[in-house]
Amino acid sequence: AQRVTQPEKLLSVFKGAPVELKCNYSYSGSPELFWYVQYSRQRLQLLLRHISRESIKGFTADLNKGETSFHLKKPFAQEEDSAMYYCALRNRDDKIIFGKGTRLHILP
Amino acid sequence: DVKVTQSSRYLVKRTGEKVFLECVQDMDHENMFWYRQDPGLGLRLIYFSYDVKMKEKGDIPEGYSVSREKKERFSLILESASTNQTSMYLCASSSTGTSLIDTQYFGPGTRLTVL
Repeated sequence: AQRVTQPEKLLSVFKGAPVELKCNYSYSGSPELFWYVQYSRQRLQLLLRHISRESIKGFTADLNKGETSFHLKKPFAQEEDSAMYYCALRNRDDKIIFGKGTRLHILP
Repeated sequence: DVKVTQSSRYLVKRTGEKVFLECVQDMDHENMFWYRQDPGLGLRLIYFSYDVKMKEKGDIPEGYSVSREKKERFSLILESASTNQTSMYLCASSSTGTSLIDTQYFGPGTRLTVL
């Protein structure tokens, strides 16, 4: 079964503290994984994808095939990071399968 | 800059009405998608289309239909709206090709309320 699991509905983190948003997937084959972000009153947008191994807005995510995880990390949280974050997997049929999302709330 | 537009930001309809949600993209993308976004349920795929006049059911197609007569336009139709279809509807498009460009671009969303 193809599935993306984000175990936390809400994550509250103090400003300046490290952030880790968890994502686990279930997929037979080589997955293509993404993180999407939706800031308040804005459209959903791509944050980063695993194949480009980039760092966007200080966020990174490493694909761990052994643990089937793609956790999103940032060493020092900023208030503007407060948003809804979705982990997603693209299958070979070009369908994107989304997790249920984690709301990140940065506390002052 | 890719643009995906949706015809309405907010829509209020009555139970039983026929509802059309329109989505237009200007990047000549082959693939287009309709999702609904509900708190606690995340994004769920309703229908998608990988070419003109082609459509595939997503995870929750019941109560919905779609139309793709032109490449740039993908319409979601609620034949007879019901209160459980009150939701935020998101349209997205993507290009078929290498993974580097094969990402989905989303519209701003339409918040539909069915009374």
